[in-house]
Amino acid sequence: QTVVTQEPSFSVSPGGTVTLTCGLSSGSVSTKYYPTWYQQTPGQAPRTLIYSTNTRSSGVPDRFSGSILGNKAALTITGAQADDECDYYCVLFLGSGIWVFGGGTKLTVL
Amino acid sequence: QVQLVQSGAEVKKPGASVKVSCKASGYTFTTSDITWVRQATGQGLEWMGWMNPKSGNTGYAQKLQGRVTMTRSTSISTAYMELSSLRSEDTAVYYCARIVGRRNDFDYWGQGTLVTVSS
Repeated sequence: QTVVTQEPSFSVSPGGTVTLTCGLSSGSVSTKYYPTWYQQTPGQAPRTLIYSTNTRSSGVPDRFSGSILGNKAALTITGAQADDECDYYCVLFLGSGIWVFGGGTKLTVL
Repeated sequence: QVQLVQSGAEVKKPGASVKVSCKASGYTFTTSDITWVRQATGQGLEWMGWMNPKSGNTGYAQKLQGRVTMTRSTSISTAYMELSSLRSEDTAVYYCARIVGRRNDFDYWGQGTLVTVSS
């Protein structure tokens, strides 16, 4: 069974930079998995930040960026703001109509 | 504008079934696949499966095979997710979302439906 891994929690100072990662229990993440990043605030549906590894969704500030770093997908937030404090999820498309979410990262800005 | 509007909260007893609906508007229903994702309270997102509204073809997460069924009514642009043999661990908010085929991501989401399984 494929497991997608994310850091359970991360902390960043206001104005700082943080990189969250998304890995695979077996193998490396590449663009063929169409890594997508979602942002979720409490009580709300997820919102797409980044799709297809590094494309920002409409209306997403350019301080959010996506990439492949080593063998993982990565979401970098540059100039973190207080309202960035929420949960971030990555999802990978494994092919054959199967997606798997990571466990999510709870980001604290303090 | 694209909207996915889901049915209201449900309370079910263990062993029962639940059917959640997801009504699409603002686009042609049969041109985009629909996926279902659930989230237990305080937990992460779990992908459940997908359905092609045009053909009715489906694909389910292995964990839910045999208990989940995704269907649709094209005449009313509505997708359905039915989960049977409910247990307490199925208590969660259930979301439908539209799949963007060329990007393999989910761009528009329903508001979520809370399903509570309790005796």
